[in-house]
Amino acid sequence: DAKTTQPNSMESNEEEPVHLPCNHSTISGTDYIHWYRQLPSQGPEYVIHGLTSNVNNRMASLAIAEDRKSSTLILHRATLRDAAVYYCILGYGNKLVFGAGTILRVKS
Amino acid sequence: EPEVTQTPSHQVTQMGQEVILRCVPISNHLYFYWYRQILGQKVEFLVSFYNNEISEKSEIFDDQFSVERPDGSNFTLKIRSTKLEDSAMYFCASSEVSLSGNQPQHFGDGTRLSIL
Repeated sequence: DAKTTQPNSMESNEEEPVHLPCNHSTISGTDYIHWYRQLPSQGPEYVIHGLTSNVNNRMASLAIAEDRKSSTLILHRATLRDAAVYYCILGYGNKLVFGAGTILRVKS
Repeated sequence: EPEVTQTPSHQVTQMGQEVILRCVPISNHLYFYWYRQILGQKVEFLVSFYNNEISEKSEIFDDQFSVERPDGSNFTLKIRSTKLEDSAMYFCASSEVSLSGNQPQHFGDGTRLSIL
């Protein structure tokens, strides 16, 4: 399984944008880039995914580098409810391989 | 919005006993999964299930584990003879069918299994 590298933790102020980076230099051509998050005491929650082009949905945006070796999850206005562990996962096929993720803390 | 539901939320079992964890996936989903998370550790894939058979399993999913879709709505994980190290949160997930794995997986809130 291709590996991803994420910062252990990040901090943001409420109502400000947050950019969560992910490096995946060994990504293969068929790997999708998935982002999930896990709020305290809850199961993982799908955020967004993409293959080559940038993607937007109601929760976030995903910016994918042209060489696909890195990507950035963008939360446009962080709220206290966005405090969670964010996982960047590569995959082709139906198995998700979770790493340690990035702990996002949001300050009010 | 439809969701994956898991029961019970907390299960306490004596070591060596059998335990069954239950899940109701989202109704139009056809791919089902179990993951587990030992306290303070990563979420780990256990097994995926499609068309009434296991499509992939991890090394953790040994002969003590089994999965079943006993009817049109439930999806269960059975641990035959529990060990202390089986204590963890167990998450069920479901997704629409995708051969390329680009369908989001929807997770339940988990069952906390405590083995005494």
